[in-house]
Amino acid sequence: GAVVSQHPSWVICKSGTSVKIECRSLDFQATTMFWYRQFPKQSLMLMATSNEGSKATYEQGVEKDKFLINHASLTLSTLTVTSAHPEDSSFYICSAREDRGHRETQYFGPGTRLLVL
Amino acid sequence: GEDVEQSLFLSVREGDSSVINCTYTDSSSTYLYWYKQEPGAGLQLLTYIFSNMDMKQDQRLTVLLNKKDKHLSLRIADTQTGDSAIYFCAEFPRHTPLVFGKGTRLSVIA
Repeated sequence: GAVVSQHPSWVICKSGTSVKIECRSLDFQATTMFWYRQFPKQSLMLMATSNEGSKATYEQGVEKDKFLINHASLTLSTLTVTSAHPEDSSFYICSAREDRGHRETQYFGPGTRLLVL
Repeated sequence: GEDVEQSLFLSVREGDSSVINCTYTDSSSTYLYWYKQEPGAGLQLLTYIFSNMDMKQDQRLTVLLNKKDKHLSLRIADTQTGDSAIYFCAEFPRHTPLVFGKGTRLSVIA
């Protein structure tokens, strides 16, 4: 299957700093990428849908100024957690959609674990 | 609205078969998916089934689809300890993000 990478895989930062997470589709072009957040023992919560070359669409309750998303190319989307606080500590997973015309599939990155001290 | 339901826990003995069930609501979903998440990892696409099929087999995995009842199941034959993980059922209404269930935590007892 297609491969999606994320970097970094884990990050520890001080409260008030900003953290950037990269998501790349390695062997396909993704016009649409998704960012999810997952709390321990819970399902994935969709944060936003990122379309290449346009503004991201945020889900209700997700602050767009807090979670900046940039989808500058067909293989790269970034999520920046601005002025991170301990409550932002979570597991962030990106996903990229591969569209083969007859079938769409979402492939997931390995996740980024963020710990804000 | 869209909603995917799964049981939260399943415990089986090593070597037995595991059956994870799922119900979904959106009949427009062309494909239905099963993902596996191991501890601390992202989601791995396990298998999928096209909505006009009622069964798909892939090695130890068998997916059964009852489109009339909107019921999907994943059977894992000869379950191994390495199969311990969370399994997510997902429906995929076209041009929208996947809609996930809450996940079924499979525990395999040696």
